[in-house]
Amino acid sequence: DTGVSQDPRHKITKRGQNVTFRCDPISEHNRLYWYRQTLGQGPEFLTYFQNEAQLEKSRLLSDRFSAERPKGSFSTLEIQRTEQGDSAMYLCASGPIYEQYFGPGTRLTVT
Amino acid sequence: AQTVTQSQPEMSVQEAETVTLSCTYDTSESDYYLFWYKQPPSRQMILVIRQEAYKQQNATENRFSVNFQKAAKSFSLKISDSQLGDAAMYFCAYRSGGRNTGKLIFGQGTTLQVKP
Repeated sequence: DTGVSQDPRHKITKRGQNVTFRCDPISEHNRLYWYRQTLGQGPEFLTYFQNEAQLEKSRLLSDRFSAERPKGSFSTLEIQRTEQGDSAMYLCASGPIYEQYFGPGTRLTVT
Repeated sequence: AQTVTQSQPEMSVQEAETVTLSCTYDTSESDYYLFWYKQPPSRQMILVIRQEAYKQQNATENRFSVNFQKAAKSFSLKISDSQLGDAAMYFCAYRSGGRNTGKLIFGQGTTLQVKP
């Protein structure tokens, strides 16, 4: 049983650069979620896909953030013009309707 | 808006003893789900237990059980026979019951230390 995978696991970038993260969900899950977690805090919801449709977006997802799930399988999260405040762990989860299983996360450091 | 509160930033327990982690939530909805997740240091979040609001029976998963008090909006996690591997940050989370939503709302977390 392959769990949720995320790539890269760590990303260091300079302020102003664009970054893209990838999430591969558990294959039979049609729901996929993105969250952001800062140190010592609980995850905060960013967005949610059911198959390829993006059904819910948080107001945290500013216009610099975009997420896609083009064929209802893997998903990408892009952050344009990164800022130091974007430094966080970005978590992906997938699941059936009422449960979510998390990946290991991508830790982003903006210098 | 729904909120989740974990009022214990840190807890400790002796190995083999029992510990209870507290969680309260606020909602005006009647249909929802509650979860406990475990996040070991530098490791990924693991689903520990799930409770449906419409079920009166408290959920149990091996050494983990919950005390769900719907009227009081309380959802505590009891860990019996604590093991060193239980040391982690524990998060309580809320999900609305609607089919077209998916957002989990998390509490601030409780760090559990297990002493040998």
